[in-house]
Amino acid sequence: SSDLTQDPAVSVALGQTVRITCQGDSLRTFYATWYQQKSGQAPFLVIYDGSKRPSGIPDRFSGSRSGRTVSLTITGAQAEDEADYYCTSRDTSDNSVIFGGGTKLTVL
Amino acid sequence: QVQLVESGGGVVQPGRSLRLSCSASGFTFKNYAMHWVRQAPGRGLEWVASVSYGGDGKLYAASVKGRFTVSRDNSKNTLHLRMTSLRSDDTAMYYCAKDVVTAPEMGISFDRWGQGTLVTVAS
Repeated sequence: SSDLTQDPAVSVALGQTVRITCQGDSLRTFYATWYQQKSGQAPFLVIYDGSKRPSGIPDRFSGSRSGRTVSLTITGAQAEDEADYYCTSRDTSDNSVIFGGGTKLTVL
Repeated sequence: QVQLVESGGGVVQPGRSLRLSCSASGFTFKNYAMHWVRQAPGRGLEWVASVSYGGDGKLYAASVKGRFTVSRDNSKNTLHLRMTSLRSDDTAMYYCAKDVVTAPEMGISFDRWGQGTLVTVAS
């Protein structure tokens, strides 16, 4: 399958923990990557290879996997975390790169 | 620091062609696979194409295969995307992006992105 499914929108109270999920058959085989995109800006890598954080990414961001579902967890969400979040993985059929539809995170 | 600067976007009529470029600096360009990702207005991200660090390996999204060609000039630290037979649904911001690791394979994790160049296909 070539689909990655994300909830369109999620909200979290300031300082609380939020989990953003992404589902797809390819996630059983390939690691996921997560991008953050703030309004009017280019995307920004926050998690790669399932759970690795690039340098400079706060440790409140973490990634995990369970079966065909991957999650991006923000522990202690901050106002600056309000953004769209996209998961990505690889299509098992043709090795192409696939993006989820994105989740809009609102920090209340 | 790493910089990626796209250029070449603009308004083009359906069926015409356009060539995008991405000028890279601040890293050893020839050691990294490079990628193009687009975003239609108000929509999500869509991967377009990838090229290996040597330029011999290329992958394309089904929506552009046969119409778009990705290439690179490692002597000039430049990535290109040649787009032909453009359609209205190709209208988008086009981003170039750098792979997170240096490897022969084309990855899915892009750690640096340009600010994008806007392509509008309209008559």
